[in-house]
Amino acid sequence: QKEVEQNSGPLSVPEGAIASLNCTYSDRGSQSFFWYRQYSGKSPELIMFIYSNGDKEDGRFTAQLNKASQYVSLLIRDSQPSDSATYLCAVRSSNTGKLIFGQGTTLQVKP
Amino acid sequence: EAGVAQSPRYKIIEKRQSVAFWCNPISGHATLYWYQQILGQGPKLLIQFQNNGVVDDSQLPKDRFSAERLKGVDSTLKIQPAKLEDSAVYLCASSLVMAGGRNEQFFGPGTRLTVL
Repeated sequence: QKEVEQNSGPLSVPEGAIASLNCTYSDRGSQSFFWYRQYSGKSPELIMFIYSNGDKEDGRFTAQLNKASQYVSLLIRDSQPSDSATYLCAVRSSNTGKLIFGQGTTLQVKP
Repeated sequence: EAGVAQSPRYKIIEKRQSVAFWCNPISGHATLYWYQQILGQGPKLLIQFQNNGVVDDSQLPKDRFSAERLKGVDSTLKIQPAKLEDSAVYLCASSLVMAGGRNEQFFGPGTRLTVL
């Protein structure tokens, strides 16, 4: 079992729709969870950080965390073509403190 | 505020050759990370420095990879000799502190290495 698992996609949604990206993790002791956006040929950029169960909203982005189910998700409302990128889920290891990244989900928003 | 700088941006070498990458972190950031990102995968931590000391190098292939951070600022990552499977993007990142929580890591533009 991978430590952090994501569906590689691509996930294709029409412009204006809600994009839902999912991530599961194996480290039950993890407390910090991150979503990074990575445009093709560019470096990762942090877009969301969450550590409490429930929802955290920032503009069009909502991160959802369920520690009991070891599941974290990212919702993008009113998706725009500029949101087309790979979204990386990262979990901070409770043992080492380092970030463990999933393989990323490629999102395509079609005009 | 200037971001994380890396050079070169691209490098093509033959297998068994050596290569070195350079990273200059954001000013004042004590923690520096080197990641390897193979196409289609997420970044994998190779080595983490706190100032000029190594915190974690558990996933660094030490028979061929080496890294140093002299004076706790710039860092170099070297591969000698390179193998085909080393083809990847090498990302340098830095953060203000080493502690957990948010502790945002800022990534440089990366060096794309192709080993032929």
